Amino acid sequence: DVKVTQSSRYLVKRTGEKVFLECVQDMDHENMFWYRQDPGLGLRLIYFSYDVKMKEKGDIPEGYSVSREKKERFSLILESASTNQTSMYLCASSLYQGGNQPQHFGDGTRLSIL
Amino acid sequence: QQQVKQSPQSLIVQKGGIPIINCAYENTAFDYFPWYQQFPGKGPALLIAIRPDVSEKKEGRFTISFNKSAKQFSLHIMDSQPGDSATYFCAASTLSGYSTLTFGKGTMLLVSP
Repeated sequence: DVKVTQSSRYLVKRTGEKVFLECVQDMDHENMFWYRQDPGLGLRLIYFSYDVKMKEKGDIPEGYSVSREKKERFSLILESASTNQTSMYLCASSLYQGGNQPQHFGDGTRLSIL
Repeated sequence: QQQVKQSPQSLIVQKGGIPIINCAYENTAFDYFPWYQQFPGKGPALLIAIRPDVSEKKEGRFTISFNKSAKQFSLHIMDSQPGDSATYFCAASTLSGYSTLTFGKGTMLLVSP
């Protein structure tokens, strides 16, 4: 089974801090994604990557950046955390390019910005 | 903007009932429609998916019905069980290279014993 591991289940940070969320997948998947999940808003795509050192903006990239230095690892960076970035963050991976590839999700990081 | 509209937001059924969750889309280029299931404390997982060349797909107790002309699709859960209580997300995408999934806002389903 594909394993997508997010480094923290819960994280509390302060406004203005630089925050790193880490995600690792163990199945040599090409594609990785970062979403945020908020009640009533569903899953919204922040950034995705189809290859090492490659990144593409999703629907809500403002205030975020990403890094993919190795194929198995995809990091989400909050450059200067704000309270409106308090949310559940989900990482996912898929094997190949193409919209019909199943996405495998981690169990999420619940981030609180105080 | 590409959108997938999902309803209802929440749903309560008794064990054995048939909950139905509906989704509608606008972008006629969409040609892949998956459903994801999410249990509390877990990430979503692919449940079932359909292409627009068929009107229905069944996997166990889960069925997707697809109406291409109306640009609507729905998930039916036959003989629902308390273990089906979860949040369900519909999604849509194209099959082309860099396509990503557009998710609905989710339906929280509770199946009472």
